[in-house]
Amino acid sequence: GENVEQHPSTLSVQEGDSAVIKCTYSDSASNYFPWYKQELGKGPQLIIDIRSNVGEKKDQRIAVTLNKTAKHFSLHITETQPEDSAVYFCAARGAGSYQLTFGKGTKLSVIP
Amino acid sequence: DARVTQTPRHKVTEMGQEVTMRCQPILGHNTVFWYRQTMMQGLELLAYFRNRAPLDDSGMPKDRFSAEMPDATLATLKIQPSEPRDSAVYFCVEDSANYGYTFGSGTRLTVV
Repeated sequence: GENVEQHPSTLSVQEGDSAVIKCTYSDSASNYFPWYKQELGKGPQLIIDIRSNVGEKKDQRIAVTLNKTAKHFSLHITETQPEDSAVYFCAARGAGSYQLTFGKGTKLSVIP
Repeated sequence: DARVTQTPRHKVTEMGQEVTMRCQPILGHNTVFWYRQTMMQGLELLAYFRNRAPLDDSGMPKDRFSAEMPDATLATLKIQPSEPRDSAVYFCVEDSANYGYTFGSGTRLTVV
């Protein structure tokens, strides 16, 4: 089955700086890669996703890049704000599969 | 605002007791998953249904866990008998064409 590795497990940045979280996946046929943000006491919320036919996607301060050859994808948050502090999860869905396989999460702390 | 509703939000029970968690999907006629979240294991898939039919429950301990979807508006996850190692946050997730993979707020289960 699919295996997703996520790094780093914790990340601290100064407000206004950029944050980058990286994930690798094992199934070369995986075709869908969402990112989730989980705040304390809440369920993960989808913040951005990318499909295998696209190399990059951007939504305001958030962007995701996908390198299919290397089987890795990354989340980029620019101009970080304190409200960006949360746990972020990457996930991958294998071709012909319904379920998502999640990374172990990155706890992002934005220091004012 | 799309929302998957889970009840109860919190449950504390004694070892050996039966626990029932409920989920009301947004639409119902899609794929509905049960995931478990712990600090050690992260987000683990327990079971899922597509159009109410069970497709995969290989992630569940079969001797104590059962998942059902008696109708399109209700999915249940039961644990009988519960054990301390079952303490976790249980999420219901629905995958729909309009909203993607949407998490419920979760049920935090503590077995003492």
